[in-house]
Amino acid sequence: GAVVSQHPSWVICKSGTSVKIECRSLDFQATTMFWYRQFPKQSLMLMATSNEGSKATYEQGVEKDKFLINHASLTLSTLTVTSAHPEDSSFYICSARPGVREKLFFGSGTQLSVL
Amino acid sequence: QKEVEQNSGPLSVPEGAIASLNCTYSDRVSQSFFWYRQYSGKSPELIMSIYSNGDKEDGRFTAQLNKASQYVSLLIRDSQPSDSATYLCAVNVEDTDKLIFGTGTRLQVFP
Repeated sequence: GAVVSQHPSWVICKSGTSVKIECRSLDFQATTMFWYRQFPKQSLMLMATSNEGSKATYEQGVEKDKFLINHASLTLSTLTVTSAHPEDSSFYICSARPGVREKLFFGSGTQLSVL
Repeated sequence: QKEVEQNSGPLSVPEGAIASLNCTYSDRVSQSFFWYRQYSGKSPELIMSIYSNGDKEDGRFTAQLNKASQYVSLLIRDSQPSDSATYLCAVNVEDTDKLIFGTGTRLQVFP
């Protein structure tokens, strides 16, 4: 099946620093990727839709200047958490699908801990 | 905001029993429905997808969809301790690629 690679798997950083998370579709091209965030014992919350070659579409309540998304190629999307704070500590998961109504495949997730 | 609702559980069943997981959704025009399994600290993995009313079976898993009642369920037959996980129901948002997830139901299968 399709594979979505995400790294790093975990990162610990100091408050105020920026963290970049990469998401790659390894065996298919993805014009659209999705970024989710999951707090402990809560569900996945869609943060934004990453569109290759254009600006990302953010969900209501998600700060676009804080969570920078770049989708420069058909196989790579990056999420940068800028000026991270402890409340940004969460499990971030990317996903992509080979086509509309195809199965959504998830990356392995990134556990971010901000001290 | 589209909503997908699930009972958070935990749902406890003995090994070998049938586990029944339920999900309701508010977006009447949703067309695609998915069940994902998530182990603690891991990303979700797809269990079943269903697009039309009725039942869909795959091994020990059966998904059931009733669009009129806006209800989708997952049955797990012959439950095993390895099935213990959180099961997430996901529904597509009308005319988009986006999926909205429920809060998940934690299933515990005890020996």
